[in-house]
Amino acid sequence: SAVISQKPSRDICQRGTSLTIQCQVDSQVTMMFWYRQQPGQSLTLIATANQGSEATYESGFVIDKFPISRPNLTFSTLTVSNMSPEDSSIYLCSVAQVLGETQYFGPGTRLLVL
Amino acid sequence: GENVEQHPSTLSVQEGDSAVIKCTYSDSASNYFPWYKQELGKRPQLIIDIRSNVGEKKDQRIAVTLNKTAKHFSLHITETQPEDSAVYFCAASILTGGGNKLTFGTGTQLKVEL
Repeated sequence: SAVISQKPSRDICQRGTSLTIQCQVDSQVTMMFWYRQQPGQSLTLIATANQGSEATYESGFVIDKFPISRPNLTFSTLTVSNMSPEDSSIYLCSVAQVLGETQYFGPGTRLLVL
Repeated sequence: GENVEQHPSTLSVQEGDSAVIKCTYSDSASNYFPWYKQELGKRPQLIIDIRSNVGEKKDQRIAVTLNKTAKHFSLHITETQPEDSAVYFCAASILTGGGNKLTFGTGTQLKVEL
């Protein structure tokens, strides 16, 4: 499976600021996704990152709050904008080599908003 | 959209015993059911998956069964070991036409006691 890395691994931020999280894969993948895992909770899909076009957001998530870029087949960013303490979560990217195949997760970014 | 329910939320077993975790899904179009294991502070790791064209799949001590009619699927771990202690998540997805999006269950905290 592909090797997936995320930066930063963790961060502590002040409310009202924004943080951009990077996801890098060591090989080209068709599908990239961003998930949120709130403390002690399950994983919730934020959006599908589409190469060269706008991301597809799930219900409850909007582009102004979570802008996503995917300039190529190996890289994506998720920005958490105008943060509040409720945004404190683990943010994970996942990838699938091709449509219809298994998803593998990156190591996650632990975000604490004060 | 898809809804996945998972039971139990916590499960404690003695080393060597079996553990069973059950999930139900709502969307009859779902055709792919992975299971992820998440150790504390780590990323979710795929441990086994099953597609809707089979009823059972086994990999050493781990097996998954699927009942499409009842929309149930279960994870079975035999001869449990302390290193099996983790949170287990089931998920459901519609491959290809569904865009690979995973809907996760709420998770089961498995504790294997010596």
